[in-house]
Amino acid sequence: EIVLTQSPGTLSLSPGERATLSCRASQSVSNTYLAWYQQKCGQAPRLLIKGASSRATGIPDRFSGSGSGTDFTLTISRLEAEDFAVYYCQQYGSSPSTFGQGTRLEIK
Amino acid sequence: QVQLQESGPGLVKPSETLSLTCTVSGGSVYTGSYYWSWIRQPPGKGLEWIGDIYYTGTTNYSPSLKSRVTISVDTSKNQFALKVNSATTADTAVYYCARTPGHSYGWFDYWGQGTLVTVSS
Repeated sequence: EIVLTQSPGTLSLSPGERATLSCRASQSVSNTYLAWYQQKCGQAPRLLIKGASSRATGIPDRFSGSGSGTDFTLTISRLEAEDFAVYYCQQYGSSPSTFGQGTRLEIK
Repeated sequence: QVQLQESGPGLVKPSETLSLTCTVSGGSVYTGSYYWSWIRQPPGKGLEWIGDIYYTGTTNYSPSLKSRVTISVDTSKNQFALKVNSATTADTAVYYCARTPGHSYGWFDYWGQGTLVTVSS
């Protein structure tokens, strides 16, 4: 099973700043089958990115994903108040699908 | 717009069976375009994929849960279901159902709101 490690565990930034979240896989993720989700307290996760870099429907272009192999990045270009949440990566290149442990993005 | 809604008991006794149903509206489970998935999240922790099912009844389970889990589909009711046998306190979690485009163990584009199941005597 592929283990995903997200860093940092917590990221403290201010609105307007740039956020860079990392997701590292224990082995190469096939076909860049890597997704990113945003989860706010008490809500279901929301799909942001699939295929490592393809934004889901309705996701603002300040969210972007990149990477391949074992190293992936989610970038939020200019943080807005609504972006402070927990972010998870998920690999679906091999079964079982697995998630990272999450990065908490908090207001500084 | 597809919507998914989980339902089932919020409290289960240890050693008993945890049973949940996901009702799909605004779309059909009887389609070759999607798989239908279950994911869980223990309180304060991360997400865990449980497994999924195709409209034909073909299933795929996480190896860590495979011996205790059954996922089934009822196309006449537009529902799919989850059973976890021999529940323990470690199965206490928010359980989500979700839609998976493309292939088994894929990404999730629509999620239910989640339902908390507590395993306790």
